[in-house]
Amino acid sequence: DTAVSQTPKYLVTQMGNDKSIKCEQNLGHDTMYWYKQDSKKFLKIMFSYNNKELIINETVPNRFSPKSPDKAHLNLHINSLELGDSAVYFCASSLGRLAGGGEQFFGPGTRLTVL
Amino acid sequence: AQSVAQPEDQVNVAEGNPLTVKCTYSVSGNPYLFWYVQYPNRGLQFLLKYITGDNLVKGSYGFEAEFNKSQTSFHLKKPSALVSDSALYFCAVRDWRDNYGQNFVFGPGTRLSVLP
Repeated sequence: DTAVSQTPKYLVTQMGNDKSIKCEQNLGHDTMYWYKQDSKKFLKIMFSYNNKELIINETVPNRFSPKSPDKAHLNLHINSLELGDSAVYFCASSLGRLAGGGEQFFGPGTRLTVL
Repeated sequence: AQSVAQPEDQVNVAEGNPLTVKCTYSVSGNPYLFWYVQYPNRGLQFLLKYITGDNLVKGSYGFEAEFNKSQTSFHLKKPSALVSDSALYFCAVRDWRDNYGQNFVFGPGTRLSVLP
């Protein structure tokens, strides 16, 4: 009964490759997010989707492309991977309309290592 | 724009003693405030939130936090620390007008070590 799940948990790949990370939530939330956590543990939002529509697109390279096939899924595709993309990527979800505060629930993370 | 400060990178406390992890925030409107905990190699877990009402809010695992509007603070507290509380703690804020979490801002995190 996992609330927010991500696959894969670990991803090791060569520079220049293309990879995807999948995220699914079964909480009935309408808003989903991707965060990047760097080696110093800083969390930075990358994207936010509400009802399959892009809400936020922070200053991330256009090599990163989110795709939301439905409200319960938000996948992240990364083209031409670079060394600096190595990080832990977290998916999260919430009720976007501030219902009860709108706290976000996080997946377990995907540790991406680019060699 | 919102911002969150956690002035201490590291907090050390002996098991059984009270603990406090500090957080101050800046937001133009009314704040919604949150605390999260991250254990090693895990995602963030929601602990508690302040939206409105009583300034002292209680959350999971015996944690509580006190909202202080005049000091723009939202410190996390626990009366008696456990070794298992050792983790990374994040404070977060969103503006009450923020419809879709686009301005949900996390602090830099505070590492709590509870010593046996």
